[in-house]
Amino acid sequence: KAGVTQTPRYLIKTRGQQVTLSCSPISGHRSVSWYQQTPGQGLQFLFEYFSETQRNKGNFPGRFSGRQFSNSRSEMNVSTLELGDSALYLCASSALQATGEAFFGQGTRLTVV
Amino acid sequence: AQSVSQHNHHVILSEAASLELGCNYSYGGTVNLFWYVQYPGQHLQLLLKYFSGDPLVKGIKGFEAEFIKSKFSFNLRKPSVQWSDTAEYFCAVIHTPNFGNEKLTFGTGTRLTIIP
Repeated sequence: KAGVTQTPRYLIKTRGQQVTLSCSPISGHRSVSWYQQTPGQGLQFLFEYFSETQRNKGNFPGRFSGRQFSNSRSEMNVSTLELGDSALYLCASSALQATGEAFFGQGTRLTVV
Repeated sequence: AQSVSQHNHHVILSEAASLELGCNYSYGGTVNLFWYVQYPGQHLQLLLKYFSGDPLVKGIKGFEAEFIKSKFSFNLRKPSVQWSDTAEYFCAVIHTPNFGNEKLTFGTGTRLTIIP
């Protein structure tokens, strides 16, 4: 069974630009969550989607948005990039949303210059 | 809001030493608990989980964790560490039961360095 796939693996963007990150969950998993990982802050929850609906949202500004498609694939968008958005963005998929057990992708390393 | 505390930010041990990493959470109700590990250059992966039953749970690679409800703790242990255990370890918790409207909350992580 293929794992969670995130693309691209690395991105370098300029301040003010926007970026879209993609996540393909494990086949059959309908829940997809996104996290921002930075040194010292750990994993900060961004949002979670289940069956194309956003179920939970973390404390991030509106520049961070996401969506989920009917095939459970998810995208995350960050507009008007700031230097502080440089981080590893992780996607996780779950078969049973309520248990908390999640399977993570390799992440997308975003660098904003 | 739920919070998870990992007391040790960086732990350095010699091979064969015993390991205990602390994890405390704030919520007093029923929870599911997890330890995740991130080896250098690899994705975050599940080390072990507790849903219910025996509070001493065993995971992969000889790791175990004990859930002590009265102390809101879920400490990770290993009797004898190996160099390959060098990694970052994250504790995580979620309320249960929930209706899918709860998020998994992570601690800030503990970096473990094993010296050969």
